Amino acid sequence: GAVVSQHPSRVICKSGTSVKIECRSLDFQATTMFWYRQFPKQSLMLMATSNEGSKATYEQGVEKDKFLINHASLTLSTLTVTSAHPEDSSFYICSAPKPETGRGTDTQYFGPGTRLTVL
Amino acid sequence: AQSVTQLGSHVSVSEGALVLLRCNYSSSVPPYLFWYVQYPNQGLQLLLKYTSAATLVKGINGFEAEFKKSETSFHLTKPSAHMSDAAEYFCAVSSSGGSYIPTFGRGTSLIVHP
Repeated sequence: GAVVSQHPSRVICKSGTSVKIECRSLDFQATTMFWYRQFPKQSLMLMATSNEGSKATYEQGVEKDKFLINHASLTLSTLTVTSAHPEDSSFYICSAPKPETGRGTDTQYFGPGTRLTVL
Repeated sequence: AQSVTQLGSHVSVSEGALVLLRCNYSSSVPPYLFWYVQYPNQGLQLLLKYTSAATLVKGINGFEAEFKKSETSFHLTKPSAHMSDAAEYFCAVSSSGGSYIPTFGRGTSLIVHP
């Protein structure tokens, strides 16, 4: 079953409004979560690292005031697209690393994604 | 530094034929390697992963991949394609000794013909 959920799966909003996307780890705690953006027919672009209890770390070129990230608990991270414009329309995916016992590394589990359309 | 190259943005096979999706990686430390599948309008699902144990890794849905250090490759195969295998496939690499944030390839779209 799914280990990471996202809500909503699809959202349509008017230009200038803000949209919040939630990412939850379902059966494990994640002190770190990741937010990606995916354009049609392209790979995932890492936007930012969400850190529980501290500020998010943004990748170069990503506007932190545009994409607000809050990691409120060990199982929840939110991405808020502020004052959304049509160019923000995209598929947003979150992921969380789940510890793999004895393997020495975590495996990233991805949410199902959120399709944002800004009119 | 690490990177992934997926050869071929599209691969087309007939139903029942062998599936081969190519992935070459570059990593300055021993890599951990992953294959993910993405169906339309969905997130990524982990198919399989290599984490320095057996070099031949078996995953879900009949897929497997073999880690070849000498060739820096981690190609994905499946003996017999099903129509339901049509999807986007991403190869990814992460560093075993450091950040586990994977670096993704550009993806390969698998097309299965009846």
